[in-house]
Amino acid sequence: GENVEQHPSTLSVQEGDSAVIKCTYSDSASNYFPWYKQELGKRPQLIIDIRSNVGEKKDQRIAVTLNKTAKHFSLHITETQPEDSAVYFCAASIMAGTASKLTFGTGTRLQVTL
Amino acid sequence: GAVVSQHPSRVICKSGTSVKIECRSLDFQATTMFWYRQFPKQSLMLMATSNEGSKATYEQGVEKDKFLINHASLTLSTLTVTSAHPEDSSFYICSARVSGGGTEAFFGQGTRLTVV
Repeated sequence: GENVEQHPSTLSVQEGDSAVIKCTYSDSASNYFPWYKQELGKRPQLIIDIRSNVGEKKDQRIAVTLNKTAKHFSLHITETQPEDSAVYFCAASIMAGTASKLTFGTGTRLQVTL
Repeated sequence: GAVVSQHPSRVICKSGTSVKIECRSLDFQATTMFWYRQFPKQSLMLMATSNEGSKATYEQGVEKDKFLINHASLTLSTLTVTSAHPEDSSFYICSARVSGGGTEAFFGQGTRLTVV
């Protein structure tokens, strides 16, 4: 089955700096890669996603890049703010309808300091 | 976006008792729902895929007789933790996608189970 690795496990940046989180996946058939933000005790919230037919996607301060050949994808957050502090999870899936399973990475705890 | 509601949000039970957790899709129908378990400071681990009108599909290492899943309608899936033990204490979260509604998976708010 799919295996997703995520690094780093913790990341501390100063407000205004950029943060980068990296993930690798094992199944070359995976074609959908979402990123979720989870605050303590809350549900995961989708912040951005990318399909395998696209190399990069951006939404305001957040961007995701995908390298299919190397089987890795990254989340980039620019101009970080204290409210960006949370745990971020990457995931991978072979999209084939609503029954497609997501395999999550181990998570990155991002701390944005003032 | 679509709303997935989970109940209860917190439950404390005694060892040996059973606990039922409900997952509802409020504004859409979900033929498939997913149940995850999340230990403190760890990732979401898929336990099982709940299929409306048929048996759930369990991930390797998950005891189907301990974690009973019922998906009797297109908007409700339930997870029952039977004969709970302290090691079952965890955060349980369900998710679902909207049929024909794209790729996004929507999550319930989670249930914090504490077994004492």
